Amino acid sequence: GDSVTQMEGPVTLSEEAFLTINCTYTATGYPSLFWYVQYPGEGLQLLLKATKADDKGSNKGFEATYRKETTSFHLEKGSVQVSDSAVYFCALRPLIQGAQKLVFGQGTRLTINP
Amino acid sequence: NAGVTQTPKFRVLKTGQSMTLLCAQDMNHEYMYWYRQDPGMGLRLIHYSVGEGTTAKGEVPDGYNVSRLKKQNFLLGLESAAPSQTSVYFCASSSSYYGYTFGSGTRLTVV
Repeated sequence: GDSVTQMEGPVTLSEEAFLTINCTYTATGYPSLFWYVQYPGEGLQLLLKATKADDKGSNKGFEATYRKETTSFHLEKGSVQVSDSAVYFCALRPLIQGAQKLVFGQGTRLTINP
Repeated sequence: NAGVTQTPKFRVLKTGQSMTLLCAQDMNHEYMYWYRQDPGMGLRLIHYSVGEGTTAKGEVPDGYNVSRLKKQNFLLGLESAAPSQTSVYFCASSSSYYGYTFGSGTRLTVV
């Protein structure tokens, strides 16, 4: 079945460091791919998405590129801030008409120190 | 504010007790979902609904029941709570155009 594997955390960085959180997936066909962010005590919020191969999603300085060849969707940010501390989830939505179920990775907790 | 509202936010149950979690959305979304979040396991789908009056099983449905009598509401029931159901529960809704919107979660502890 469809699955998402994320880089294990927790990840701790200093402010202004470069961030990469790895995400790879297994799916039939070409799913849509997403990154969600969860701040403490809150629900998940969509950070960015990509719906086809080679698409680049971007938001708030974060980027991720849909790589079909490597079945990956790694999250990157050039210079992180303390406010980026959160749990990040990679997810896929299978390309099945009428179905909108998301499959999530296990989440990666990110802590940014000043 | 528009969005997904979950009640209650916190609850402690004794083993064997029952309860219902309520999810309400005001965005006229067709699809609604219940997920549970456990450490190191991400979010796992419990049940979902593709429209009023319809429900379907997700990845981890055992021990839970759901109902969607009105389009805007999706109820999750635990008939006989077990410690293994201690978790954070998230409701979400979606449409073809606007993607997912999540509620803020319900933290349930079963002792």
